[in-house]
Amino acid sequence: AQSVTQPDIHITVSEGASLELRCNYSYGATPYLFWYVQSPGQGLQLLLKYFSGDTLVQGIKGFEAEFKRSQSSFNLRKPSVHWSDAAEYFCAVGALSSNTGKLIFGQGTTLQVKP
Amino acid sequence: NAGVTQTPKFQVLKTGQSMTLQCAQDMNHNSMYWYRQDPGMGLRLIYYSASEGTTDKGEVPNGYNVSRLNKREFSLRLESAAPSQTSVYFCASHVHGDTQYFGPGTRLTVL
Repeated sequence: AQSVTQPDIHITVSEGASLELRCNYSYGATPYLFWYVQSPGQGLQLLLKYFSGDTLVQGIKGFEAEFKRSQSSFNLRKPSVHWSDAAEYFCAVGALSSNTGKLIFGQGTTLQVKP
Repeated sequence: NAGVTQTPKFQVLKTGQSMTLQCAQDMNHNSMYWYRQDPGMGLRLIYYSASEGTTDKGEVPNGYNVSRLNKREFSLRLESAAPSQTSVYFCASHVHGDTQYFGPGTRLTVL
């Protein structure tokens, strides 16, 4: 079955500390992968995406993610977290070959930032 | 460009009432989607339209209907609302090879 798992429902880090949010997927086709961020009461904003090529991708707001095919993972990282990064983060996977563009989303990870 | 717009932003219904959520995109995207978001469950696909004139069920279609009115507009209808449909509803659009773009959401409460 196709699925996306974000093992951490809630994470708290101190401002200035590094961050890693985990994402594991199970997908039959060649995947393309996304991380989205959602601030309270807002819609989803794309942080970064991986389609092919370099497995380390850079996104907005200083985020990066690394695609590891052997581990079926696409973890999101940031070297130094800012208070404004407090939000909910969603990992999503789709099929590059699909013409429907359907995505499967993880359950989300809520990030809290301590001053 | 406005991107993806949704109306209304908030709605309160009584059980059994009907309503239609509207979505429009101005990016000339072929595909459009309706999701619901519930705490701890991420986004679940209700219906999608891969192209104008086609619609297909997603993961949780029961209790909903959709209409792809034209390339720009994709509406979601609740014929007889139930408390289990209390949720935040997101519309999204997509063009092949790119990401999905999301609207701001509609917060629906069914009493």
